[in-house]
Amino acid sequence: EAQVTQNPRYLITVTGKKLTVTCSQNMNHEYMSWYRQDPGLGLRQIYYSMNVEVTDKGDVPEGYKVSRKEKRNFPLILESPSPNQTSLYFCASSLQGRTPLHFGNGTRLTVT
Amino acid sequence: SQQGEEDPQALSIQEGENATMNCSYKTSINNLQWYRQNSGRGLVHLILIRSNEREKHSGRLRVTLDTSKKSSSLLITASRAADTASYFCATVPNSGGYQKVTFGIGTKLQVIP
Repeated sequence: EAQVTQNPRYLITVTGKKLTVTCSQNMNHEYMSWYRQDPGLGLRQIYYSMNVEVTDKGDVPEGYKVSRKEKRNFPLILESPSPNQTSLYFCASSLQGRTPLHFGNGTRLTVT
Repeated sequence: SQQGEEDPQALSIQEGENATMNCSYKTSINNLQWYRQNSGRGLVHLILIRSNEREKHSGRLRVTLDTSKKSSSLLITASRAADTASYFCATVPNSGGYQKVTFGIGTKLQVIP
């Protein structure tokens, strides 16, 4: 089944403790992207990647890192999480940047 | 910055009625996409309309695009309780950062049985 898999689904952590949210797609898509969703603000793009080793900042990249060492994986790294990064995070992929996105089921992160 | 802005932000209708949601955007686009999100879940792509298209249909969905007004609308006909969800428009810019798919804040639709 074609899908985007994010893990974990829920995560509670404390300020400053490094964490990684994994994202994997099995559709051989070139494009992958991370979004955060906050009430009243919709989805805002954090980082995106056009292909292996090609990443770029979205609209809200501060406090986040990404890497794209393999085509299927695009982890999101929070080196020193802060409470304002409490949010619902989505990974998405598409064949190319302009084509429809396939979304994962989300990761609800709480930073205390 | 938010590219797409949906209107209204919330909509409540009776089952069987039509639901219309609007999206406005600011810059030149390559295409505009509509997505649906069930509460807290991942978004699901509904329909894509290119900048040179004016109208597109998919089942009970009808999307229009007016590039002169920089606006789009999504019409759901004969709504069902199962259509209850949030609906988002997303824009893909025409040049430069075409990879930056930008979403609006969404319209929350409630269909009352």
